[in-house]
Amino acid sequence: EAAVTQSPRSKVAVTGGKVTLSCHQTNNHDYMYWYRQDTGHGLRLIHYSYVADSTEKGDIPDGYKASRPSQENFSLILELASLSQTAVYFCASSAISNERLFFGHGTKLSVL
Amino acid sequence: AQSVTQPDARVTVSEGASLQLRCKYSYSGTPYLFWYVQYPRQGLQLLLKYYSGDPVVQGVNGFEAEFSKSNSSFHLRKASVHWSDSAVYFCALSLASSGSWQLIFGSGTQLTVMP
Repeated sequence: EAAVTQSPRSKVAVTGGKVTLSCHQTNNHDYMYWYRQDTGHGLRLIHYSYVADSTEKGDIPDGYKASRPSQENFSLILELASLSQTAVYFCASSAISNERLFFGHGTKLSVL
Repeated sequence: AQSVTQPDARVTVSEGASLQLRCKYSYSGTPYLFWYVQYPRQGLQLLLKYYSGDPVVQGVNGFEAEFSKSNSSFHLRKASVHWSDSAVYFCALSLASSGSWQLIFGSGTQLTVMP
């Protein structure tokens, strides 16, 4: 079964601090995604990538950066964390754009 | 604008009862539709998908969904639910937008199965 691993599983950050969420996939997939999930809302796409060393903006990229140093790894970076970025973050991968996505377990981020 | 609506935020059913979770989409083109399930403290997993052909598609664990173009719907069904089906269910629409594919998720339906 395809595997997507996120770290950390949860994190508490201070407002204005830098946060890096990491994602590693062993699926050999070209596409990787970062989604944000807020209570009562569906998933919203922050950034995605279809090749190493390249990232694309999703629907809500403001306040977030992404990095894809290799096919297997995709990071989400919050340079200046804010209270509004408290959410659960999911990484996912797929072989084809928006075909079946394989999700990680999620990272619960609390910004205080 | 394209959208996915799941009108029921929470659904509670008794174990062994039948289930229908509703999903409506707004898109003028050919929709590719998915149902994902999120069990507690886990990521989303694909239940089933519809691309074309038979409007009734079968998924894992006895789930099925029926596509209706006339109603712009893709409702999820199960004949007899089990307590382990308690989870959040997301409907999603994949469509072509500005030269790339976009995946739009509904807000999810929290299903609780009572023993």
